[in-house]
Amino acid sequence: TQLLEQSPQFLSIQEGENLTVYCNSSSVFSSLQWYRQEPGEGPVLLVTVVTGGEVKKLKRLTFQFGDARKDSSLHITAAQPGDTGLYLCAGPNAGGTSYGKLTFGQGTILTVHP
Amino acid sequence: DTGVSQDPRHKITKRGQNVTFRCDPISEHNRLYWYRQTLGQGPEFLTYFQNEAQLEKSRLLSDRFSAERPKGSFSTLEIQRTEQGDSAMYLCASSLRVIKETQYFGPGTRLLVL
Repeated sequence: TQLLEQSPQFLSIQEGENLTVYCNSSSVFSSLQWYRQEPGEGPVLLVTVVTGGEVKKLKRLTFQFGDARKDSSLHITAAQPGDTGLYLCAGPNAGGTSYGKLTFGQGTILTVHP
Repeated sequence: DTGVSQDPRHKITKRGQNVTFRCDPISEHNRLYWYRQTLGQGPEFLTYFQNEAQLEKSRLLSDRFSAERPKGSFSTLEIQRTEQGDSAMYLCASSLRVIKETQYFGPGTRLLVL
């Protein structure tokens, strides 16, 4: 069973601060996805990282995939109240009929105070 | 809107009643997934379809749960004899079967069993 562990579980910061969320596993993933979810809504895809060592930027968000494809990080620069939400990492199972089924981390609840 | 849609968005029911949820995937997507999410946690896989074939069911899916995708388009998830522990957000996602596929989520159905 492939597991993803996210840290921290909760993050409460002031507007303008920087933060990093980590997603770790003992298993290799073919790709990792980051989602953001607001209360009462479904997860919205932010990015998919595919290649070991890959770095992707989305405005103030920087995503990195570990060289061994076992971990990923999300860094937010100068956080804003609009960044508040639940951040989830997820990776697809590989092989057999489970291919494509996503395993999610437990999520990081981010609150950015004005 | 050409995204994944789910109906209803909210459902309140009494313990012991049956409920049915519907998911309409993105039109050209041939894979459809159901997940369950409890408050503050990441989604957990329930089952998935490739076209009309149900390829995998999680251990979380007890005998009271059944899912169908009769014509390979929309899908329904039925819960019989609901229990309070069934209260959760039920999420549907769809994807196009390609390597390193991306799943797109609907807004979810929030179920509350009283």
